[in-house]
Amino acid sequence: QSALTQPASVSGSPGQSITISCTGTTSDVGGYNYVSWYQQHPGKAPKLIIYEVSKWPSGVSNRFSGSKSGNTASLTISGLQAEDEADYYCSSHTSSNTRVFGGGTKLTVL
Amino acid sequence: QVQLVQSGAEVKTPGASVKVSCKASGYTFTINGISWVRQAPGQGLEWVGWISANSGDTNYAQKLQGRVTMTTDTSTSTAYMELRSLTSDDTAVYYCARDVFYRFEYWGQGTLVTVSS
Repeated sequence: QSALTQPASVSGSPGQSITISCTGTTSDVGGYNYVSWYQQHPGKAPKLIIYEVSKWPSGVSNRFSGSKSGNTASLTISGLQAEDEADYYCSSHTSSNTRVFGGGTKLTVL
Repeated sequence: QVQLVQSGAEVKTPGASVKVSCKASGYTFTINGISWVRQAPGQGLEWVGWISANSGDTNYAQKLQGRVTMTTDTSTSTAYMELRSLTSDDTAVYYCARDVFYRFEYWGQGTLVTVSS
């Protein structure tokens, strides 16, 4: 199972919006609405921020939003804040009943 | 509140085995599965495998098939991951996570496994 494709890095200024893409295949992202997104700060465990493409776990800011079109899922962060600087990973269920992650995207808040 | 508490860091020599534990609390352990995820130094997340805490059914990442075994002890709400024939490529932080409908809802603090001669 190949990793999902994410851009290595994105950046934005405080208050702006950014979008991170996550491209897979019909066997994972395109075939299921079980795409989730995770935020990871250095030295910390990942944190779930979006699940089932566009749903928020309790306590997560609605500045984070998710969507999907075909084999590509997207995470949008609006109103960028300094604390959003972190690594972001997408994950999907697969047709083999496994899970697969994206390679990760480093977000820099300028 | 849901907590997953993992065992401490391990240092192993090449060829050895390691067994990492993950003790769950704050929810009914057998309701969900546990996935294991690893992260090599400076690298991304890699799914290792999943175990149903109810039935014991497992599903492992293809690249680790034959070297990894996941088990649970429902009497202590603890999940275990054993990895055999370790090489330097297995050096990573290993996380357990509560797997709810294919999402990793809560994570353990991570266990650093270092493989070095």
